[in-house]
Amino acid sequence: KAGVTQTPRYLIKTRGQQVTLSCSPISGHRSVSWYQQTPGQGLQFLFEYFSETQRNKGNFPGRFSGRQFSNSRSEMNVSTLELGDSALYLCASSLRVAGGMYNEQFFGPGTRLTVL
Amino acid sequence: GQQVMQIPQYQHVQEGEDFTTYCNSSTTLSNIQWYKQRPGGHPVFLIQLVKSGEVKKQKRLTFQFGEAKKNSSLHITATQTTDVGTYFCAISSGSARQLTFGSGTQLTVLP
Repeated sequence: KAGVTQTPRYLIKTRGQQVTLSCSPISGHRSVSWYQQTPGQGLQFLFEYFSETQRNKGNFPGRFSGRQFSNSRSEMNVSTLELGDSALYLCASSLRVAGGMYNEQFFGPGTRLTVL
Repeated sequence: GQQVMQIPQYQHVQEGEDFTTYCNSSTTLSNIQWYKQRPGGHPVFLIQLVKSGEVKKQKRLTFQFGEAKKNSSLHITATQTTDVGTYFCAISSGSARQLTFGSGTQLTVLP
C-alpha cells in the first residue's frame, strides 16, 4: 500500500505570496490532518478534514486554510506569507472511526516551506 | 486546550545504556500516542495507550500509561544507534479530534 504523499517537497516563496500544498492520503483513509513543525513551536495541529469537511481547527490565523476533495486528497493554502511561516508542513492520514478516539496518524514526508 | 509536558528535551546516552522520556498532563487523558521521528524524517507511529496502568512492550521499548491517566513514559533498554531520533507523545481528549504533541525528546546515541 502506498504511503502518504505530499507535493512539492520543497518550496521557496517570498513574503506576501501565497502557497498551496498538496497531500494524497493512504488509499481508504478519509481523514487528513495538517501539522506545522518548527524548531521553536514543535508540532502544531492546523486542521483536520473528513468527508470534504473541516472537522477541527487548531489555533492558526485565517491565512491558513484547506480543503478536501471527494477522493480524500487534500490541499492547504497559506496566503500573505510571513517569514514566520517557514516550516515543515506535514500531512497525516488516518482511518476515522465514528465516535471513536483518534487513530494512529500516518505522516507524509512533508513540504519544507522557506519564506524569504 | 490541552497541553502535555515532555521531558527531557535532550538526552545523550552511550550505546547500550537505557533511555526514558516522560509525558505529563494536568488533566486526565483518554489516550496517549507515541511517535518517533528520525533526523530529516517524518513522525512514525509507535503505539497507543488507552487503559489506566497499561504497559506495552515492543522489543526493547516499554510504554507505560499512569494509573491516573495523566502521565506516560517510554523506556528503551540497551539503546542502539538505530534508536536515534526525536520521540514525541501526543494526546487527544474527549471529543477533541485533534492531536496535541509534546515538545519531544531528542535522543542521541553515542557509539
